[in-house]
Amino acid sequence: KAGVTQTPRYLIKTRGQQVTLSCSPISGHRSVSWYQQTPGQGLQFLFEYFSETQRNKGNFPGRFSGRQFSNSRSEMNVSTLELGDSALYLCASSLVTSGPYNEQFFGPGTRLTVL
Amino acid sequence: EDQVTQSPEALRLQEGESSSLNCSYTVSGLRGLFWYRQDPGKGPEFLFTLYSAGEEKEKERLKATLTKKESFLHITAPKPEDSATYLCAVPGAQKLVFGQGTRLTINP
Repeated sequence: KAGVTQTPRYLIKTRGQQVTLSCSPISGHRSVSWYQQTPGQGLQFLFEYFSETQRNKGNFPGRFSGRQFSNSRSEMNVSTLELGDSALYLCASSLVTSGPYNEQFFGPGTRLTVL
Repeated sequence: EDQVTQSPEALRLQEGESSSLNCSYTVSGLRGLFWYRQDPGKGPEFLFTLYSAGEEKEKERLKATLTKKESFLHITAPKPEDSATYLCAVPGAQKLVFGQGTRLTINP
């Protein structure tokens, strides 16, 4: 069974630009969560989508947004990029209901560098 | 506020030298605790879920245990390929709360 896939794997952008990251969950998984990982802050929760609806949201500015499609694939968008947005962006999927109570399986991440 | 603290931050062992990593948590109503392994530049890899105090899970050289306040990841006779960052996480009110991780290095 294929794991969680994320594209692109690496991205370099400049301040002020916007970026869209993509995530395909494990087949059959309906919940997709997004995380930002930095050396200083560790893994920080961005948001979770289940059945095309955002169910939970972390403490990030509105520049960070996402969506989920009917096939459970998800995208996240960051507008007006700042230097501090440089991070590894991770997507995780889980099998059953929404919420943080089930095992989450992570993709390889997208390394975003903002210059 | 839900909180997870892992110790030590970094641990360097010789091959074959057993040790334990600690994960202490503060959460209202534990609904599980997860352990992950993360290699540099990669996403976390799921290892274990523990649900109740006294529960233990094993996988190869790793054994995870859980009490009411903390969890331990015991590593027995580690090999260099066990070098990684080990993360623990607990479900908070609306999100998974991660610790900062323990960076484990096994020297041959």
